[in-house]
Amino acid sequence: AAGVIQSPRHLIKEKRETATLKCYPIPRHDTVYWYQQGPGQDPQFLISFYEKMQSDKGSIPDRFSAQQFSDYHSELNMSSLELGDSALYFCASSPRGGNEQFFGPGTRLTVL
Amino acid sequence: AQSVSQHNHHVILSEAASLELGCNYSYGGTVNLFWYVQYPGQHLQLLLKYFSGDPLVKGIKGFEAEFIKSKFSFNLRKPSVQWSDTAEYFCAVTLMEYGNKLVFGAGTILRVKS
Repeated sequence: AAGVIQSPRHLIKEKRETATLKCYPIPRHDTVYWYQQGPGQDPQFLISFYEKMQSDKGSIPDRFSAQQFSDYHSELNMSSLELGDSALYFCASSPRGGNEQFFGPGTRLTVL
Repeated sequence: AQSVSQHNHHVILSEAASLELGCNYSYGGTVNLFWYVQYPGQHLQLLLKYFSGDPLVKGIKGFEAEFIKSKFSFNLRKPSVQWSDTAEYFCAVTLMEYGNKLVFGAGTILRVKS
């Protein structure tokens, strides 16, 4: 069965650079969630989209922005990267009306 | 604020030992409850979930969990662990009134000695 796809899987950036993470949800899933998992920490909710509109916002820094496109894929844009942004970024998707989230493999971002 | 507490951060067991990982949440409304497992270097995988109905939920790989509403608990159990169960386990909840974002506990790292 198709799963959530995230790209890239690994990303290395320098401080103050920008990064774009992409998430392709499972077909027919219209809701996308982004989570950040720092080293040794639990995943923290960043932001979610439903039908291309932002549906909820968590602890997402102002330096980050995200959107969902007409094909339901989502991109997380991160600017002025800081060392503390080094983390695993998970995307999850869920179907219309669904309560279960299906997670992608994550993008491991390292900021040097 | 909604929170999820996992009682043990590290658990070490021998193979064939029984496992119980505690999880409590701090909200009195309607919740959906989940246990996720994260194997080293891998993504989160759903072990089991509770939305409604029978409070004893069976999941994959022989895991089960019991929802006790009066105790705000959703403890994970497995009668006999295997070396391959070595992983980090996260309890998580969603509140329908607050959208479907998952709020995770801090996680429990389980190490099974062979």
